Amino acid sequence: QVQLMESGPGLVQPSETLSLTCTVSGFSLTSYNVHWVRQPPGKGLEWMGVMWSGGSTDYNSALKSRLSISRDTSKNQVFLKMNSLQSEDTTTYYCARESPLGPGYFDYWGQGVMVTVSS
Amino acid sequence: DIQMTQTPSSMPASLGERVTISCRASQGISNYLNWYQQKPDGTIKPLIYYTSNLQSGVPSRFSGSGSGTDYSLTISSLEPEDFAMYYCQQYDSSPPTFGAGTKLELK
Repeated sequence: QVQLMESGPGLVQPSETLSLTCTVSGFSLTSYNVHWVRQPPGKGLEWMGVMWSGGSTDYNSALKSRLSISRDTSKNQVFLKMNSLQSEDTTTYYCARESPLGPGYFDYWGQGVMVTVSS
Repeated sequence: DIQMTQTPSSMPASLGERVTISCRASQGISNYLNWYQQKPDGTIKPLIYYTSNLQSGVPSRFSGSGSGTDYSLTISSLEPEDFAMYYCQQYDSSPPTFGAGTKLELK
């Protein structure tokens, strides 16, 4: 069955780089788009970027200068890297699969990984 | 970016009650409007896509409607498991944007 699972460090130092991994199963990264979405504590959801099935990427313009998304199709993994972390980057990060039923519709989500930016 | 205004931000309701959550876009979004449910443990579940299409496995008490800039999610008769956060999301244009959420609480 379709699953996505985020992993990464729970604590990152200010100004450091965050590295997260989304490991997927039950579908191919070359057939489905995978997005990253984040949610600050007690707040709403913010779209961060996408790894298109063809291998290209798009980013939220607000994060573009700090964000990089890549993948390893042989390992069924999508990676997120974001540099120059600040306290406002303390959020839960989700990866989600885009459904073939509709553009921008996320039909499967990971459970999320909470990241705290603190010294 | 398209702004999504979701109302109300919180809604106390009773079991069996019919409730409606509204979502207004800052510009027309051509029915590219989706709804999600989030439980307190952070789990996010898709409910409705393209305004009114029910995700497989979602109970029929959930329905969606709307057009242009105004959309809504209706739950016809609240069950205990429906008390959660609900988010609308547009994808008529990038970036996809979400409403701030509606917390459905037990009255």
